[in-house]
Amino acid sequence: QKEVEQDPGPLSVPEGAIVSLNCTYSNSAFQYFMWYRQYSRKGPELLMYTYSSGNKEDGRFTAQVDKSSKYISLFIRDSQPSDSATYLCAMSPYPTQGGSEKLVFGKGTKLTVNP
Amino acid sequence: DSGVTQTPKHLITATGQRVTLRCSPRSGDLSVYWYQQSLDQGLQFLIQYYNGEERAKGNILERFSAQQFPDLHSELNLSSLELGDSALYFCASSVVALAGGPETQYFGPGTRLLVL
Repeated sequence: QKEVEQDPGPLSVPEGAIVSLNCTYSNSAFQYFMWYRQYSRKGPELLMYTYSSGNKEDGRFTAQVDKSSKYISLFIRDSQPSDSATYLCAMSPYPTQGGSEKLVFGKGTKLTVNP
Repeated sequence: DSGVTQTPKHLITATGQRVTLRCSPRSGDLSVYWYQQSLDQGLQFLIQYYNGEERAKGNILERFSAQQFPDLHSELNLSSLELGDSALYFCASSVVALAGGPETQYFGPGTRLLVL
């Protein structure tokens, strides 16, 4: 079993839809959970991160972590064509402050938001 | 623009050859990470350097090596190239996080390597 599993999609939704993206993981040591967005032919960029379990909201984006189920989600409300990208979840077991940030990534879900 | 630069953008070479990929981190960032992204494996961590020293190793092949120079730029050397090494290679740099948060890794635009 891979450490992080993510449905590659592709996922196609109409503009304005609520999008749900998710990842499952097997390593109980993961503490930090991140979502990266990668536009075509670009490098990934950090969208949001959460620590341990709980929710975090940033504008139209909400990240959820359920450590008991080893399941994380990213919700996008009122999706826009500009949200069309590949979304990668990433996880790290380490605390930070100059430590080793060995992120483990999911394979990414390709999202297309149609006008 | 993340502030991380990578050269070259594209590289086409033949099996058995050796190539060097270069990365310049964001100003002030001491950590440099190298990743390989392929369709079947996704984004895989290869190696991390922190202020010139190797800090962590991931799924890096023995044919691959890296170093970080005193000016903090980094190079990834790939030798005895095989068809399966064709992939996108990303460099990322990070700054020490504030207490309680993860270091944010800023990714460069990548080098697309094609081995024929």
